[in-house]
Amino acid sequence: QKEVEQNSGPLSVPEGAIASLNCTYSDRGSQSFFWYRQYSGKSPELIMSIYSNGDKEDGRFTAQLNKASQYVSLLIRDSQPSDSATYLCAVNNYGQNFVFGPGTRLSVLP
Amino acid sequence: NAGVTQTPKFQVLKTGQSMTLQCAQDMNHNSMYWYRQDPGMGLRLIYYSASEGTTDKGEVPNGYNVSRLNKREFSLRLESAAPSQTSVYFCASSDRGYNEQFFGPGTRLTVL
Repeated sequence: QKEVEQNSGPLSVPEGAIASLNCTYSDRGSQSFFWYRQYSGKSPELIMSIYSNGDKEDGRFTAQLNKASQYVSLLIRDSQPSDSATYLCAVNNYGQNFVFGPGTRLSVLP
Repeated sequence: NAGVTQTPKFQVLKTGQSMTLQCAQDMNHNSMYWYRQDPGMGLRLIYYSASEGTTDKGEVPNGYNVSRLNKREFSLRLESAAPSQTSVYFCASSDRGYNEQFFGPGTRLTVL
């Protein structure tokens, strides 16, 4: 059974702080990894994709991948209230199926 | 460039009724997907189509059928709706199976 796990939260951080979101996966054959943001009542929106070990930065967002530890994380620097949402981790093993985690709810407090 | 569009946005059905959810993408993507999202269950794959002319079952296919009408359109049909099918349904597309998926706005379905 392929699984993707995330802490459900809520994770609360003050405005301007760094939010750290974590995801672990069980399938060692997984090759591609994605972070989506989902506002309440809206559809998932792609934030980052990462395919190789290490860090990938895009603006205030940094994705980190460690395939040996089967761990992927998302850091959000200078968190804003508008970052308050549920963050979904998704994993793919070059098949057609993504496996999504249950999501972590982030609350950025003004 | 509208991306992925879905119709309808909202629907209320009675048990036993049938309906078809429509999805279209204008990104020339090869792969298309149908998910349902329930509180506490996350996104679960119902069916997918890796390319025009092919469809495959996902994690929760029972009670659903799909049609890949052409490269742009992928429909989901509920033949005899049940209250357990009350959910939010998302369509998504990607250019290849391991690449990013892009989601439509969703259909909120209630079965009474």
